[in-house]
Amino acid sequence: AQSVTQPDIHITVSEGASLELRCNYSYGATPYLFWYVQSPGQGLQLLLKYFSGDTLVQGIKGFEAEFKRSQSSFNLRKPSVHWSDAAEYFCAVVNTGGFKTIFGAGTRLFVKA
Amino acid sequence: DADVTQTPRNRITKTGKRIMLECSQTKGHDRMYWYRQDPGLGLRLIYYSFDVKDINKGEISDGYSVSRQAQAKFSLSLESAIPNQTALYFCATSEWRTGTNTGELFFGEGSRLTVL
Repeated sequence: AQSVTQPDIHITVSEGASLELRCNYSYGATPYLFWYVQSPGQGLQLLLKYFSGDTLVQGIKGFEAEFKRSQSSFNLRKPSVHWSDAAEYFCAVVNTGGFKTIFGAGTRLFVKA
Repeated sequence: DADVTQTPRNRITKTGKRIMLECSQTKGHDRMYWYRQDPGLGLRLIYYSFDVKDINKGEISDGYSVSRQAQAKFSLSLESAIPNQTALYFCATSEWRTGTNTGELFFGEGSRLTVL
């Protein structure tokens, strides 16, 4: 069965520091992978997605993610975090046919001054 | 105006009451979804619909029902609300085109439901 694991429930980083949020998935075929961000009181917004091709994908707000098939991972990174990045981040995998999205439990990011 | 609109945004109700959450979209997407968000559990799929005549159960459909009144409208009902249905509910849409389906979801801002 498909599953998504985000090992870190919450992470605190200093403003200006680098960030890496971990995501591991379980899926039998080449997955479609997504990262979404949820700001307080808001719905989820797509940060970036991977379908095929280049394993390093760029997203909005300066985020990037790298697909590593051998590790079944799709970690999200940002070189320098801004206070406005404080939010909850969800990794997700979509099944073949693209109609069922499985979400991880989420990682809440806190940014300290 | 938001592309995916949910009403109400907040609702407090009592055990046993019937509740309806409504969702409308202006994106022209065929596919619509209802998710439930609980802390530490991420989002779980309640129901999804590929078009007006196609309704499917998700992983946690017990205690819920839905209606797809039109391509743009998808409502979620709790016939007899119970406290463990207290959660944040999201409506989402996605587009389907042969050969270009991405599975990307577009979310409303959520409806926070509290059942006392």
